Amino acid sequence: QAGLTQPPSVSKDLGQTATLTCTGDSNNVGYQGVAWLQQHQGHPPKLLSNRQNGRPSEISDRFSASRSGNSASLTITGLQTEDEADYYCSAWDNSLSVWVLGGGTKLTVL
Amino acid sequence: QVQLVQSAAEVKKPGASVKVSCEASGFTFTNYYMHWVRQAPGQGLEWMTMLSPSRDGGGTTSARKFRHRVTLTSDTSTNTVYMELSSLTYEDTAVYFCAREVEGFDVWGQGTMVTVSS
Repeated sequence: QAGLTQPPSVSKDLGQTATLTCTGDSNNVGYQGVAWLQQHQGHPPKLLSNRQNGRPSEISDRFSASRSGNSASLTITGLQTEDEADYYCSAWDNSLSVWVLGGGTKLTVL
Repeated sequence: QVQLVQSAAEVKKPGASVKVSCEASGFTFTNYYMHWVRQAPGQGLEWMTMLSPSRDGGGTTSARKFRHRVTLTSDTSTNTVYMELSSLTYEDTAVYFCAREVEGFDVWGQGTMVTVSS
């Protein structure tokens, strides 16, 4: 089953802004949007943004999500060392009737 | 406190089955979609299956590759969901997570390592 497409890695300097992308199609990303997850090594994932681009209260406002058509993005401003992690997008695929995930983007903060 | 607590790590032989538990606290699992996601060593997340809430019939939906091998059961008296995976192969070695869904996977268990080894 096809998943969502994410770049494998992104590197940015401390304090800069990183924009992570996620591409799907009209059955998933374009259907009901994506939810973004952050995962630090050895830990369970954490929800950063839900399919309505809503952010859990405990998540910093440095994280923001958006969607345009069949593509979505997660923007992280003022990069900090603790932002270094793997980021996954996820979406319900209405055609396959399954959840699909991206392969993940490893963010390195230099 | 809203949380999911999973069972301990397991080591299984090829061909065997494994059953992982996920106990919910701070909420009633029958009111939510409950999912299972796995992660092989050094790999990304892979969605496996989900249990629908009671209001939507309480049925299960699974990814095609797991459809004939995965079984979800539950115990409302202990607020626990169980995921059983049968016919294990070495490729099933992974950390298995349960997660609650509210427009995204908002609460996660700590993960259960399942190792398939002869």
